Amino acid sequence: EDQVTQSPEALRLQEGESSSLNCSYTVSGLRGLFWYRQDPGKGPEFLFTLYSAGEEKEKERLKATLTKKESFLHITAPKPEDSATYLCAAGYNFNKFYFGSGTKLNVKP
Amino acid sequence: DAGVTQSPTHLIKTRGQQVTLRCSPKSGHDTVSWYQQALGQGPQFIFQYYEEEERQRGNFPDRFSGHQFPNYSSELNVNALLLGDSALYLCASSDRSGPPPYGYTFGSGTRLTVV
Repeated sequence: EDQVTQSPEALRLQEGESSSLNCSYTVSGLRGLFWYRQDPGKGPEFLFTLYSAGEEKEKERLKATLTKKESFLHITAPKPEDSATYLCAAGYNFNKFYFGSGTKLNVKP
Repeated sequence: DAGVTQSPTHLIKTRGQQVTLRCSPKSGHDTVSWYQQALGQGPQFIFQYYEEEERQRGNFPDRFSGHQFPNYSSELNVNALLLGDSALYLCASSDRSGPPPYGYTFGSGTRLTVV
């Protein structure tokens, strides 16, 4: 079965300590790779869509990149308010997406 | 601009009962998808509605059913509730006016607890 795998499951950073989250997908025919942020008890909030290998998108301290097999979410100089669970989802047609289990990020001041 | 609204926010039901969850999509969106998110897991696709019809379904039993109304709002019904149905149920809406794949706007979810 198609899978989307995210690593690490949890990540603890000090404020200002940059790092990257990984999302790998095993299915073929990818049409779009999505990144979402989810705060506790809330629905996912859209961050980025990437459509083709080599594409990059940035928003404040976050930058998402896509290769043929995986995507990375780079977090530069994170702040405590960046603490959340980050989900990636692979879209293979406009009807359905496969979500990873997420990376829970905790940024300490 | 109102986003996706879901009701109720929390619900406690007894095993074997039936439940109905409701969703109003974001203004301008015509497609509604439902997801189940267990604690510590990513959302799992239940089904999607477009033009009042179920267009695609995930690996969920027939106990899970839905409906979409002419105003694009949607309901998720779950019959014969099991303890394992306890989860956050997310509604997501999207707009098919642009190129696919269509990104979702999620609601805040309904937290269902089955006891």
